[in-house]
Amino acid sequence: ELKVEQNPLFLSMQEGKNYTIYCNYSTTSDRLYWYRQDPGKSLESLFVLLSNGAVKQEGRLMASLDTKARLSTLHITAAVHDLSATYFCAVDLFQGAQKLVFGQGTRLTINP
Amino acid sequence: NAGVTQTPKFQVLKTGQSMTLQCAQDMNHNSMYWYRQDPGMGLRLIYYSASEGTTDKGEVPNGYNVSRLNKREFSLRLESAAPSQTSVYFCASRMDYTYGYTFGSGTRLTVV
Repeated sequence: ELKVEQNPLFLSMQEGKNYTIYCNYSTTSDRLYWYRQDPGKSLESLFVLLSNGAVKQEGRLMASLDTKARLSTLHITAAVHDLSATYFCAVDLFQGAQKLVFGQGTRLTINP
Repeated sequence: NAGVTQTPKFQVLKTGQSMTLQCAQDMNHNSMYWYRQDPGMGLRLIYYSASEGTTDKGEVPNGYNVSRLNKREFSLRLESAAPSQTSVYFCASRMDYTYGYTFGSGTRLTVV
């Protein structure tokens, strides 16, 4: 059974600081997603990581994937208040049919 | 706009009542999914349909049934609602494994 674990689950930080969210998963997969969710809203796709060593960046967010360690990271650089949201990683499990397994989510609060 | 449309957006049911959550996509996607989101648990897969005419159980199928009515529509039915089914339900779709997922805006269901 695939398990996806994020840490930390809650993160409160000040504007201008850097931090990293970690996503560990328990079985082989070559496709990992990061999503953002604002309160009461749907999921917004941030990154799709397709291979070992993949790195993608968008603004102050950078995601990476190490398939050998079964680890993905979402790094936040010089945080701003607008990045406050809940962030989810999700792993694509292809076993006969496609399934997406989510981590618990990291609630990020950025204080001025 | 093209995408995944869910109805209704909000619903309150009494214990034992039944209802159907509707989901439709206009992107000609092959696969469709139903997830539920509970606080602190991320999204969990209820049922999915890899292609028109097929459905399979996900992680938490008990108490639910689904129908893939046609390629566009995938409905989720609660035959006898229970308070434990209070949650936010998201429908998602995608073309196939090589593509990302598109999520609907969600249905917030409360069972009293």
